[in-house]
Amino acid sequence: SQTIHQWPATLVQPVGSPLSLECTVEGTSNPNLYWYRQAAGRGLQLLFYSVGIGQISSEVPQNLSASRPQDRQFILSSKKLLLSDSGFYLCAWSRQEKLFFGSGTQLSVL
Amino acid sequence: GQQLNQSPQSMFIQEGEDVSMNCTSSSIFNTWLWYKQDPGEGPVLLIALYKAGELTSNGRLTAQFGITRKDSFLNISASIPSDVGIYFCAGLRTSGTYKYIFGTGTRLKVLA
Repeated sequence: SQTIHQWPATLVQPVGSPLSLECTVEGTSNPNLYWYRQAAGRGLQLLFYSVGIGQISSEVPQNLSASRPQDRQFILSSKKLLLSDSGFYLCAWSRQEKLFFGSGTQLSVL
Repeated sequence: GQQLNQSPQSMFIQEGEDVSMNCTSSSIFNTWLWYKQDPGEGPVLLIALYKAGELTSNGRLTAQFGITRKDSFLNISASIPSDVGIYFCAGLRTSGTYKYIFGTGTRLKVLA
């Protein structure tokens, strides 16, 4: 069966510090991968998606970037965090139109 | 970004009652998904729907793909305390577009 791992679960970072969130999927090959952000009590905003290694599409201009160095690995990064980057970040993968989410990372930028 | 209209926004119900919620859109979708999210966790896929009129059940949950393809419905029968959470719908227009559109969520609270 397929599983998705996302870490860390929580992260507190100062403004201006770098960020690296990692996500890996097991049990499938060549998945479509996604990064979403969810503000408190609000809906899901698509940040990036990837259909293959090295292929990244950005949905919104922002302080973040994504990379896919391996087939089942998706990384969300920032060189300098802003206060507005705080939120709940979710990695996801899709297969046959079904979208599956990781457990999320709660990022607080102080 | 674009969001689907999901109603009601929140519900307070007694344990044992049935629950109904829906998502509507001005656009046609080819796939509808329903999720439940607990606080601090990622959404969990409950039901996937692939064609107009389709009715699919998962235990006490039943979801339907609207005939017009612009809406979907989720029903929960005989609610229990662990049904508490936020329920999201999501629509996908065509396979391969990768852009899932999400509803605004229905917050469900069950009173024992």
